[in-house]
Amino acid sequence: QSALSQPRSVSGSPGQSVTISCTGPSSDGGGYNYVSWYQQHPGKAPKLIIFNVSERPSGVPDRFSGSKSANTASLTISGLQTEDEADYYCCSYAGSNGVVFGGGTKLTVL
Amino acid sequence: QVQLVESGGGVVQPGRSLRLSCAASGFTFNSYAMYWVRQAPGKGLEWVAVISYDGSNEFYADSVKGRFTISRDNSKNTVYLQMNSLSAEATAMYYCARDQGWLQVRWYIDLWGRGTLVTVAS
Repeated sequence: QSALSQPRSVSGSPGQSVTISCTGPSSDGGGYNYVSWYQQHPGKAPKLIIFNVSERPSGVPDRFSGSKSANTASLTISGLQTEDEADYYCCSYAGSNGVVFGGGTKLTVL
Repeated sequence: QVQLVESGGGVVQPGRSLRLSCAASGFTFNSYAMYWVRQAPGKGLEWVAVISYDGSNEFYADSVKGRFTISRDNSKNTVYLQMNSLSAEATAMYYCARDQGWLQVRWYIDLWGRGTLVTVAS
């Protein structure tokens, strides 16, 4: 059981926006600020799309944005495109427990 | 080009050992912490271990602590994962990955290999 809780699936139509939530521990041990998000297409390695809660690596479209409020981080994808259909994982440093991933969210672009 | 290439996966019997290797190229390997992350078939990502850029510090997931060992040889630009006492639960794709931070751990993984598949079965 993951310490980071994500919805199992979300969906949206091309051009729409979707938000994927990632809920961490209720008592913040100080590590839940190191939040990142990864995109994984079937049969492929994951790809970093958001780090440090809201920063984008170079080359990642600005349609992808991240935020955090209290113990819930969020990934928002605006202007959905068919190629955005993938699995998305949140991740955080968890102190003495090292690194923890969320269970993953499957995004379907209808 | 900047890349990580894993090797050493395969089919192994329960209780046996296996060593995975990951060859890095295209960047200053000895300046970055390195990870192993695994993904069981049809399941999500699971962090396994991380080693600091100079090999002086290692951290492990509770699920592998005491059975898996991460190490690195900076002269060969290679990171390893020694896996002992394997059980079926270790069946997964194992990814080698690089931390984003230079000479420090930032806990963000900015480079991934393609993975090597480990199957534990009799």
